[in-house]
Amino acid sequence: GAVVSQHPSRVICKSGTSVKIECRSLDFQATTMFWYRQFPKQSLMLMATSNEGSKATYEQGVEKDKFLINHASLTLSTLTVTSAHPEDSSFYICSARDLRGGSSGANVLTFGAGSRLTVL
Amino acid sequence: AQSVAQPEDQVNVAEGNPLTVKCTYSVSGNPYLFWYVQYPNRGLQFLLKYITGDNLVKGSYGFEAEFNKSQTSFHLKKPSALVSDSALYFCAVLLSGGYNKLIFGAGTRLAVHP
Repeated sequence: GAVVSQHPSRVICKSGTSVKIECRSLDFQATTMFWYRQFPKQSLMLMATSNEGSKATYEQGVEKDKFLINHASLTLSTLTVTSAHPEDSSFYICSARDLRGGSSGANVLTFGAGSRLTVL
Repeated sequence: AQSVAQPEDQVNVAEGNPLTVKCTYSVSGNPYLFWYVQYPNRGLQFLLKYITGDNLVKGSYGFEAEFNKSQTSFHLKKPSALVSDSALYFCAVLLSGGYNKLIFGAGTRLAVHP
């Protein structure tokens, strides 16, 4: 089955620094990946849609200059939290859809294991 | 607005008893509905989906869900709960209109007691 890998799983950084999180589709190509943010005991909030070879599409209220997304290849998308602050501390989860069986929204979204960011 | 709701923050059930985790949706057109489960500090794992066809969908780990169009519901069920089923469960709906985005409910924490 489709596998999505996220790295790092945990990261602690100082306020003001930038942190990069990688999301890789290991056994399939993903022209589109999705980045979610999850606060403690809350649901997943879609942050942006990462498009291979083009700019990401951000959801309303998400700062594109704060959360930089790069999707340079068909198997890798990165999320960089720039000038991180304590309020950016959260669980970030990426996902991708395996389209090998055909292009359809009905294809199951496969999630990475998540990256817990703690900003001190 | 298109959305999905999970009315219960937490569901408690004794091991061996049947469980139900509720989900209702509001979408235009025919809904694509999903259930995912999340264990602590992990990503989401797919359980099952409804696209079309039989209203009763069977999924992983003995879970099933029933699509009810008149009630706009997609409740998750299992005949006999296990302690290991304790986790956070998310219902999700695929946005129509070509957006191809999955929107999640608030989640329901299932606690199965021995």
